[in-house]
Amino acid sequence: KQEVTQIPAALSVPEGENLVLNCSFTDSAIYNLQWFRQDPGKGLTSLLLIQSSQREQTSGRLNASLDKSSGRSTLYIAASQPGDSATYLCAVRAWGGSEKLVFGKGTKLTVNP
Amino acid sequence: NAGVTQTPKFRILKIGQSMTLQCTQDMNHNYMYWYRQDPGMGLKLIYYSVGAGITDKGEVPNGYNVSRSTTEDFPLRLELAAPSQTSVYFCASSSPGTGDDEQYFGPGTRLTVT
Repeated sequence: KQEVTQIPAALSVPEGENLVLNCSFTDSAIYNLQWFRQDPGKGLTSLLLIQSSQREQTSGRLNASLDKSSGRSTLYIAASQPGDSATYLCAVRAWGGSEKLVFGKGTKLTVNP
Repeated sequence: NAGVTQTPKFRILKIGQSMTLQCTQDMNHNYMYWYRQDPGMGLKLIYYSVGAGITDKGEVPNGYNVSRSTTEDFPLRLELAAPSQTSVYFCASSSPGTGDDEQYFGPGTRLTVT
């Protein structure tokens, strides 16, 4: 059974700092991995999707990497801003079947002005 | 496109009552999903559908039912609500095999059972 773990559970940083959020998964046979952002009381916004054949994806100040063999992904946020404060969720999708996502519990990020 | 829409946004139920959570998507996605999110936890799959007329159980289906009569709609039915069903419910859709592998989520329905 696939399990996804996100460390740390919460992170507080000063504005302008570069930071890394971690995601690990137990079964390396994944189809893709998706990073989401969730603001309090809101739905999920997709940030980046990495296919199993890819090593990384970039969007603006965000860079996500994937190492399937070690079962790890990282989300790098450059020059953090208070508007980046949110919970970041990592989810993996297995090959075939339902296309369902297995989620981690998330990392709650606070960027202080 | 409105994307994935869910109604209602909030609801309070008494134990034993029933209700239907509505979900509609206008992206012509064939796959649709229902997840629940408990406080401090990730999302868990309740039911999913790979197309109209086809549904299947996810990780936590007990106490719920679904139907999929059209591509656009995927309602989730709660029968005999219990306090353990207090949660935030998210509907999502996707279209695998079309070059877009992302799942798109609705804004959620916050349900309290007392």
